[in-house]
Amino acid sequence: KAGVTQTPRYLIKTRGQQVTLSCSPISGHRSVSWYQQTPGQGLQFLFEYFSETQRNKGNFPGRFSGRQFSNSRSEMNVSTLELGDSALYLCASSFGTSGGETQYFGPGTRLLVL
Amino acid sequence: EDQVTQSPEALRLQEGESSSLNCSYTVSGLRGLFWYRQDPGKGPEFLFTLYSAGEEKEKERLKATLTKKESFLHITAPKPEDSATYLCAPQAYDKIIFGKGTRLHILP
Repeated sequence: KAGVTQTPRYLIKTRGQQVTLSCSPISGHRSVSWYQQTPGQGLQFLFEYFSETQRNKGNFPGRFSGRQFSNSRSEMNVSTLELGDSALYLCASSFGTSGGETQYFGPGTRLLVL
Repeated sequence: EDQVTQSPEALRLQEGESSSLNCSYTVSGLRGLFWYRQDPGKGPEFLFTLYSAGEEKEKERLKATLTKKESFLHITAPKPEDSATYLCAPQAYDKIIFGKGTRLHILP
């Protein structure tokens, strides 16, 4: 079974630009969660989508947004990039139908903002 | 407020030297606790899920245990390939909270 895939793997942007990251979950998984990982803060939850609806949201500014398509693929968008947005962005998928489900992570997208 | 603390932040062991990693948590409505392993520049790799106090799970040289306030990841006779960051993540009702991890380095 194919794992979670994320594209692109690496990205360099400049301040003020916007970026879109993509995540394809494991087949059959309907929940996709996004995380930001930095050395100082660790893994921080951005949001979760289930059946095309945002189900949970972390404490990030509105510049961070996402969506999910009918095939469960998800995109995350960051507008007006800031230097502090440089991080590893991870996507994780699960069946999403009950609590305590295991999340499976993709390899991440490394974003560098200059 | 939901919190999770992992200790130590970093640990260096000689090959074969057993030890334990600690995860202390305060979470309302715990639904499960996950352990992940993360290698540099990669996504976390799932290791275990624990659901109730007293539960234990094993995989090769790793054993995870759970109490009402803590989880431990015991590593027995580690090898250099066990070097990684180990992440603990309790799940509350509507979110999963990740600890900052323990960076484990096994010296040959």
